[in-house]
Order: sequence, then C-alpha cells, then structure tokens
Amino acid sequence: DAGVIQSPRHEVTEMGQEVTLRCKPISGHDYLFWYRQTMMRGLELLIYFNNNVPIDDSGMPEDRFSAKMPNASFSTLKIQPSEPRDSAVYFCASRSRGRGGELFFGEGSRLTVL
Amino acid sequence: TQLLEQSPQFLSIQEGENLTVYCNSSSVFSSLQWYRQEPGEGPVLLVTVVTGGEVKKLKRLTFQFGDARKDSSLHITAAQPGDTGLYLCAMANTDKLIFGTGTRLQVFP
Repeated sequence: DAGVIQSPRHEVTEMGQEVTLRCKPISGHDYLFWYRQTMMRGLELLIYFNNNVPIDDSGMPEDRFSAKMPNASFSTLKIQPSEPRDSAVYFCASRSRGRGGELFFGEGSRLTVL
Repeated sequence: TQLLEQSPQFLSIQEGENLTVYCNSSSVFSSLQWYRQEPGEGPVLLVTVVTGGEVKKLKRLTFQFGDARKDSSLHITAAQPGDTGLYLCAMANTDKLIFGTGTRLQVFP
C-alpha cells in the first residue's frame, strides 16, 4: 500500500515567491496533519483536518500560510509570499482514528527560501 | 510553548553501550508515543503507552510510562549503529499530537 505522498521533495525559491506543497494521505485516513521541522524549533504542528474540515490552525505562523483539503485524497499548504525564515522541512501525516492512533508521515518537503 | 522536554538533546555513544532518554511534561498525558526519525525520512512510530507505570519492550528497546503519566523513558540495551536517529516523544492533546524537542542519537561502530 502506498504511504503518505508529498511533493515536491525539494524546493528552492526566492523570497517573495509563492510556494505550494502537496500531500496525498493514505486512503481511508480521516485525519491529516501538516508539521514543520527545523533544528531550532523541532517538529511543530501547523494545522490539522478531520474529514477534510480544518479543525485547529492555531499553529499556522501567520496569514502568509494557508492550507486546504478539497477532498479526502489531497491537501495543499501554501506560503505567499515566502520568506527566508520559512525554510524548513514540511511534513504531512495522516491517521485513521482519533487520539492515540498511529501517525503515518510522508517523506517531507524540504523548502529553502533564498 | 514547548510542552514536552526531552533529554539529553544529543547523545554519541559506542556500539554495545546502554543508554536512556527521557521525556517530561508538566501536564498529564492521556497517552504517549515514541517515534524514531532517520535522515531524509518522516518519523515512524515505535510504541504507544497508555497506562501509568506501563512498561513495553521492543527487542532491545524498553519503554516506560511514569506512574503519574507525566513522564516517560526509553532505554536501549547494547546500542547498534542502526539505532542512530532522532527519537521523539509525542503526547496526545485532544486529537492533536504534540512532539517533544527530540534526542539525536549517534551510535559509532
């Protein structure tokens, strides 16, 4: 079975450009999470969805960040405009049940903003 | 605000040594998970502990959940180079999973 699929794996862009990261969760999983990982701040939760509905976006750093989940098999995380401090590895993860369930992660999208 | 503190932050040891890493919080956990992350990959679940005082073993790894459910430890016996990675504890907060600061382990042959 395919795991969580993220694209692109690597993105290098210039400050001010729009960045779109994509995620396909595991089929049948009801929860989808977006995390950001840096050496300084570790693995931070940005936003999560349940049945395609955003439940908690309190981790989204600012209005430049937005996330959507138009259907059960696709989600996007958009940064517009991007800034150098947004450089990080962005992970998407999905889960089939509520609290206590195993979280399955994608391989991540490494973003570098110059 | 980081709710989960892990220690040590970094650990470099020789193959065959034993080690323990810790995960602490001021909050009570309903459940706690341990993940391992290798370079270039996402974290992968090792274990979930739910009951205070619970001990689980996974080959050379022993996981313990504190009686008060506010702390946990991971003990590795006779570490191998393949154990190298970032070890993360995570607690459930409603449906969210909040990760600790991580312990980066390097095991040298």
